[in-house]
Amino acid sequence: DAKTTQPPSMDCAEGRAANLPCNHSTISGNEYVYWYRQIHSQGPQYIIHGLKNNETNEMASLIITEDRKSSTLILPHATLRDTAVYYCIVRVESNTGKLIFGQGTTLQVKP
Amino acid sequence: DSGVTQTPKHLITATGQRVTLRCSPRSGDLSVYWYQQSLDQGLQFLIQYYNGEERAKGNILERFSAQQFPDLHSELNLSSLELGDSALYFCASSVNPDRLNTEAFFGQGTRLTVV
Repeated sequence: DAKTTQPPSMDCAEGRAANLPCNHSTISGNEYVYWYRQIHSQGPQYIIHGLKNNETNEMASLIITEDRKSSTLILPHATLRDTAVYYCIVRVESNTGKLIFGQGTTLQVKP
Repeated sequence: DSGVTQTPKHLITATGQRVTLRCSPRSGDLSVYWYQQSLDQGLQFLIQYYNGEERAKGNILERFSAQQFPDLHSELNLSSLELGDSALYFCASSVNPDRLNTEAFFGQGTRLTVV
């Protein structure tokens, strides 16, 4: 399985952009980068995913480096409700689709 | 709201008992996944079903079993419960696991407490 490395925790000021990094140097050519978050024991929430191009949706932007060895999730204007554990996942096995969760990054948005 | 429904939300039971957790996937999703999250632990994949058939198995104990019914809802059966089985149990669904470009959506979970 491709491994991911994320910082265990980060702080961000409310209203500022939160940039969450993820390293995935062993990613294969056909593996997607997925981001989920989990707010205080709720079910994980899908945020965004991408292969090689940058992606944006109503929640966040995903920037993937050209060599695909790392990516950054950007929450453009963080709010207190964005405080959560953010998971970067790059292993989605073909024909199962299962997600292997690591430890993630705990993002604390502060007023 | 992800569209994935799990019942019950909370369950308290005694050691040695058996419980059944239920999951209704999003409309149109054919695949169901079960995950376990113990206190301060990560999300552990248990098992996956696709269109009624078992597709993948993770670290699921022999005391646990699951099935997916013709209407695509799924049940996770936990028997001979131990204190260590206390955890959050999440169900997720996706439309087609054969595509790498497919996201899964999670329910709000069932909190199981074994006393």
